[in-house]
Amino acid sequence: DGGITQSPKYLFRKEGQNVTLSCEQNLNHDAMYWYRQDPGQGLRLIYYSQIVNDFQKGDIAEGYSVSREKKESFPLTVTSAQKNPTAFYLCASSIMGALTSSTQYFGPGTRLTVL
Amino acid sequence: GENVEQHPSTLSVQEGDSAVIKCTYSDSASNYFPWYKQELGKRPQLIIDIRSNVGEKKDQRIAVTLNKTAKHFSLHITETQPEDSAVYFCAALDYGGATNKLIFGTGTLLAVQP
Repeated sequence: DGGITQSPKYLFRKEGQNVTLSCEQNLNHDAMYWYRQDPGQGLRLIYYSQIVNDFQKGDIAEGYSVSREKKESFPLTVTSAQKNPTAFYLCASSIMGALTSSTQYFGPGTRLTVL
Repeated sequence: GENVEQHPSTLSVQEGDSAVIKCTYSDSASNYFPWYKQELGKRPQLIIDIRSNVGEKKDQRIAVTLNKTAKHFSLHITETQPEDSAVYFCAALDYGGATNKLIFGTGTLLAVQP
């Protein structure tokens, strides 16, 4: 998990603003994921990407957008359409294989607070 | 798709006792079950995982058991220590279309009392 970085560690946003969270990995992993974690809650999948220039919605994609222009980068934009964006955001990556099941490694997270 | 349930949501044990956390899953095609430990404000970290071709796996004080017939798997921590206090998440691979997507349980807050 040391090969995945997220920035910034803390982020403050005013209502109505879009913000972008960075996620970079140097593990040469194919797949990348974004999760949201609320206090006392589990991990909910926002978006995931298995290959460059392709991504799929997770369980709570509304109000979020992503891009995957490079293998090592998977930025997440929290738009003003997201009604309650204050949360802890975690990025993860894994090796991707059609018949293999592999471990996801997490970044250190970004704590987003809407003021 | 896959659904994972985790129990209990909180667990308090005395130092030195054992702790057991249980998870059930719904999709019999799932073949990979990791466990993550998350300390307060930190990232989840993999502590142990098991694949469906084995029934048990151990790593020092931690073990995981898998019952494919009943579709449940459990985390066992023996000789608990205060540094074991954290939130533990189980997960199962959602094998629909080989997406490599993990479905997580809701977590168990383990408190080890000195």
